[in-house]
Amino acid sequence: DTEVTQTPKHLVMGMTNKKSLKCEQHMGHRAMYWYKQKAKKPPELMFVYSYEKLSINESVPSRFSPECPNSSLLNLHLHALQPEDSALYLCASSQEGYYQETQYFGPGTRLLVL
Amino acid sequence: KQEVTQIPAALSVPEGENLVLNCSFTDSAIYNLQWFRQDPGKGLTSLLLIQSSQREQTSGRLNASLDKSSGRSTLYIAASQPGDSATYLCAVRGTNAGKSTFGDGTTLTVKP
Repeated sequence: DTEVTQTPKHLVMGMTNKKSLKCEQHMGHRAMYWYKQKAKKPPELMFVYSYEKLSINESVPSRFSPECPNSSLLNLHLHALQPEDSALYLCASSQEGYYQETQYFGPGTRLLVL
Repeated sequence: KQEVTQIPAALSVPEGENLVLNCSFTDSAIYNLQWFRQDPGKGLTSLLLIQSSQREQTSGRLNASLDKSSGRSTLYIAASQPGDSATYLCAVRGTNAGKSTFGDGTTLTVKP
């Protein structure tokens, strides 16, 4: 099983809402990632968790708050977002977080902020 | 700062043709280079991963090469099919905290 699942598939929210994106993998991977992808642009790294600890934070605004409850789950809490935050949010995982490894991506959550 | 460039930005070919996609990067201090496929509105599917010590990797009709010293990688697709139509992205994983930098992608259309 090389599947990373993400919920919801689509999300529409107002600028005052609080919502969460969820990512799950059951491959025993110990590193998980959040990427943001705008239309016709490549993915941009937001956060990396390794062994459930935040190891990389690409200076993402505090309105995005990651959480790793356990080694299989990764959440992205959203609060007071702006319309420019509308994008495809991709989750990925890799086995140990070593740099030689393949990253496996989920299908993404398409977020629209009104 | 690592910069990754993919040429061409778009490519349209008739079915059955062999084709080459190019990826170049500015900093040769890398751990690996990974080729992905992305269908419209979907996530990324890993195609091939080449470690910095390797020269090429093959999977089915796909062959990827890496020349780290010149900062180049190519993805060769043999006997293209309409189902190969997608955007192909290369991602370079650098030695600076292992961050991945993506190219802008090549959008491939294979016409029946």
